[in-house]
Amino acid sequence: GQQLNQSPQSMFIQEGEDVSMNCTSSSIFNTWLWYKQDPGEGPVLLIALYKAGELTSNGRLTAQFGITRKDSFLNISASIPSDVGIYFCAGQREYGGSQGNLIFGKGTKLSVKP
Amino acid sequence: GAVVSQHPSRVICKSGTSVKIECRSLDFQATTMFWYRQFPKQSLMLMATSNEGSKATYEQGVEKDKFLINHASLTLSTLTVTSAHPEDSSFYICSARHGTGDFNYGYTFGSGTRLTVV
Repeated sequence: GQQLNQSPQSMFIQEGEDVSMNCTSSSIFNTWLWYKQDPGEGPVLLIALYKAGELTSNGRLTAQFGITRKDSFLNISASIPSDVGIYFCAGQREYGGSQGNLIFGKGTKLSVKP
Repeated sequence: GAVVSQHPSRVICKSGTSVKIECRSLDFQATTMFWYRQFPKQSLMLMATSNEGSKATYEQGVEKDKFLINHASLTLSTLTVTSAHPEDSSFYICSARHGTGDFNYGYTFGSGTRLTVV
């Protein structure tokens, strides 16, 4: 199935650093969602974006819905050890029907610098 | 709110047997639920969309006779892996759509089921 282009694939963080990741698509999306998945668990929603240009924060997390509707980014400020995990972007092309299903990026794995 | 319970969290079965996985929306009604499969270090791949009271819609390449989906009520969808084989071993995750309107909905995921076929 179709997937979004998510980058970077992995990154190492040091406590206190800011982190940035993004997703791009060749298609327009009406919704962008960012999830975090811990090992052996299902994804947990972090931020949902519904309008082009929208900038939304959730604590130390900030995400934006690109103005072209083809991209989104997620920033984590002042990272802490519990931020490690896999972050997925997900997009929805339409609000209902088969085009309303979520399409996922391949994920960005955050690890702690050794 | 919007809690999705998935059971079992882990299951080991013998090759050739069938396994049923349940996905329940605990505090909302879900007319639409989704089933995903996730291989190690990979993203979630949609297998099928489960609609209450009607047949599930399967993604291309997913065998509907092997992965039986039943969405008999507004709070329960089940995925049955029939005649399981080792290559069916994977992490299966369900999700449910909740809310109405264009800007008041979301997708909540279950905690996943680790299936190991031996």
